[in-house]
Amino acid sequence: EVQLVESGGILVQPGGSLRLSCAASGFVFSSYSMIWVRQAPGKGLEWVSYFSSRNDIIFYADSVKGRFTISRDNDKKSLYLQMDSLRAEDTAVYYCARIGGGYGGSYYFDYWGQGTLVTVSS
Amino acid sequence: QPVLTQPPSVSGAPGQRVTISCTGSSSNIGAGYDVHWYLQLPGTAPKLLIYANTNRPSGVPDRFSGSKSGTSASLAITGLQTEDEADFYCQSYDSSLSAWVFGGGTKLTVL
Repeated sequence: EVQLVESGGILVQPGGSLRLSCAASGFVFSSYSMIWVRQAPGKGLEWVSYFSSRNDIIFYADSVKGRFTISRDNDKKSLYLQMDSLRAEDTAVYYCARIGGGYGGSYYFDYWGQGTLVTVSS
Repeated sequence: QPVLTQPPSVSGAPGQRVTISCTGSSSNIGAGYDVHWYLQLPGTAPKLLIYANTNRPSGVPDRFSGSKSGTSASLAITGLQTEDEADFYCQSYDSSLSAWVFGGGTKLTVL
């Protein structure tokens, strides 16, 4: 059974840093590209970052570029999101998700974790 | 403002059919990028419902169907059930933004 379990979400002050983790099981983690998606309270879904399965290709949404860093450890079957210079508008539930397929950018996300809540407030 | 436009809410009686639209532009749906749909029950993570415009993952009932035409896509739900009450999101890729984009979400109420 495919499982994704996020952790690391807490209350942090504006300007602070945080590292989220996503532990994967039930599939060959190294073979799949992965993403982070967030959802602010009562709002819709927003793609945050992407890490490819091959060649370490990384993308970020403009809203987090220069502040967030995505990484992965295939040996530990884990995906990470280092979040620096946090702002109030970064407050959200952060989900990691697996890219199940698609081509030429038309990727879909077939498995999602349960999410971890990040609250940025003083 | 979300790049993909969905109606904030739709409703229907049990057993009825409803559709949810997802309108994009020439840089996303109109550029040929596939549309995918997700269902989010209250307090839970999104779940893939339809991928590549019309395909259902294993386990998704055939009451759910997707279509795409031009710069828009639609999700149809037939034989509405009370357990279908959820938020539905469309998703695609936008070449101008170089980003995966979602619609704002549609809340389905089963009356």
